[in-house]
Amino acid sequence: AQSVTQLGSHVSVSEGALVLLRCNYSSSVPPYLFWYVQYPNQGLQLLLKYTTGATLVKGINGFEAEFKKSETSFHLTKPSAHMSDAAEYFCAVSDRGLTGGGNKLTFGTGTQLKVEL
Amino acid sequence: GAVVSQHPSRVICKSGTSVKIECRSLDFQATTMFWYRQFPKQSLMLMATSNEGSKATYEQGVEKDKFLINHASLTLSTLTVTSAHPEDSSFYICSARRGVESTGELFFGEGSRLTVL
Repeated sequence: AQSVTQLGSHVSVSEGALVLLRCNYSSSVPPYLFWYVQYPNQGLQLLLKYTTGATLVKGINGFEAEFKKSETSFHLTKPSAHMSDAAEYFCAVSDRGLTGGGNKLTFGTGTQLKVEL
Repeated sequence: GAVVSQHPSRVICKSGTSVKIECRSLDFQATTMFWYRQFPKQSLMLMATSNEGSKATYEQGVEKDKFLINHASLTLSTLTVTSAHPEDSSFYICSARRGVESTGELFFGEGSRLTVL
């Protein structure tokens, strides 16, 4: 079974400040990990993903995340927040299809990022 | 990038009627599509996995007779909410997996907001 925990349902930062959104996962098999962004009344857009290889993953819009197996974490960061970053962010884990689950995604509860002037 | 389109984006219906939501992969073939439900301020909950040419696989607790899924072609899956009631009001999101491999990338539709009066 897999699960994702996102600490902090709401995060507020000043424009230009560091963004840190936390994600911890639980998986019985080596996971694939994802971060998605959702703007109001829209679907999800992939920010970045970790599958194999380099543990520091760079995504779109200046975001990056680091897979830390020892900490079972996949925190999302951005050095300098922009007003346009205000949105809902979801961390997700996939079983890679290894458990017969067909590579389904399990989502965290989401973190609403607010960017203030 | 790959495009997945949902239609309608918003629908309002009377209690007791049925509503069909379409999910189309516009520029790739998708043997597998997923349907999610998202309540306000909450995460996405997987409802079912839709496989082209076969019956959908429903998650535990999801009524298959209530939420009919048809994946008749490689580019189209439909979700029909039968005899809708106010508690079925929600944001429904589909995703389509590109390619036949279980590790294929997922692309999300824009979502469909259903309001049952």
